[in-house]
Amino acid sequence: EAGVVQSPRYKIIEKKQPVAFWCNPISGHNTLYWYLQNLGQGPELLIRYENEEAVDDSQLPKDRFSAERLKGVDSTLKIQPAELGDSAVYLCASSLDRSGNTEAFFGQGTRLTVV
Amino acid sequence: AQKITQTQPGMFVQEKEAVTLDCTYDTSDQSYGLFWYKQPSSGEMIFLIYQGSYDEQNATEGRYSLNFQKARKSANLVISASQLGDSAMYFCAMREYGGSEKLVFGKGTKLTVNP
Repeated sequence: EAGVVQSPRYKIIEKKQPVAFWCNPISGHNTLYWYLQNLGQGPELLIRYENEEAVDDSQLPKDRFSAERLKGVDSTLKIQPAELGDSAVYLCASSLDRSGNTEAFFGQGTRLTVV
Repeated sequence: AQKITQTQPGMFVQEKEAVTLDCTYDTSDQSYGLFWYKQPSSGEMIFLIYQGSYDEQNATEGRYSLNFQKARKSANLVISASQLGDSAMYFCAMREYGGSEKLVFGKGTKLTVNP
């Protein structure tokens, strides 16, 4: 069974440029998460989807960040325009459903560097 | 609000010895789940073990066990017979059931296994 796939693995962009990250969750997983992980820190939730609905986006900086999950499968996270402080690892995760004892499976992340 | 505290930024252990990684949590919910993840240098978050708040017995998965002390709100990870491949970041996380459903992470502990 394929795991959570993210692309690209690495991205370097200049500040003020747009950038997009893509995530393909595990087949059949209804719940999808985007996390931001700064160096030396634990992941912080940006947005959570249940199927195609964003049910928790309270931590998403909506002035520059946007996300979508088309048809409740793949998801895209976009930053426009990027700032130096956005340099971090962006992790995508999926779980079978929202029940508490279902673990989330993570992709390898996209490491973003804004210069 | 949920909160996870990992007080050990770094831990060292000799190969084949056991090590305990500390985790305390704060929640007002009675129903929640606790997770431990491993993050090697490759970046992917790997699920290790789960403990539900109503589980009466401590969870075990191979060399991993969770020392769950509900009254103290602690969920320490015990790794027995450490291996060189155990060197990684370890994150404790919690999800509240029926509430925000967020999976909230601590700041992590970096474990180094010495030969």
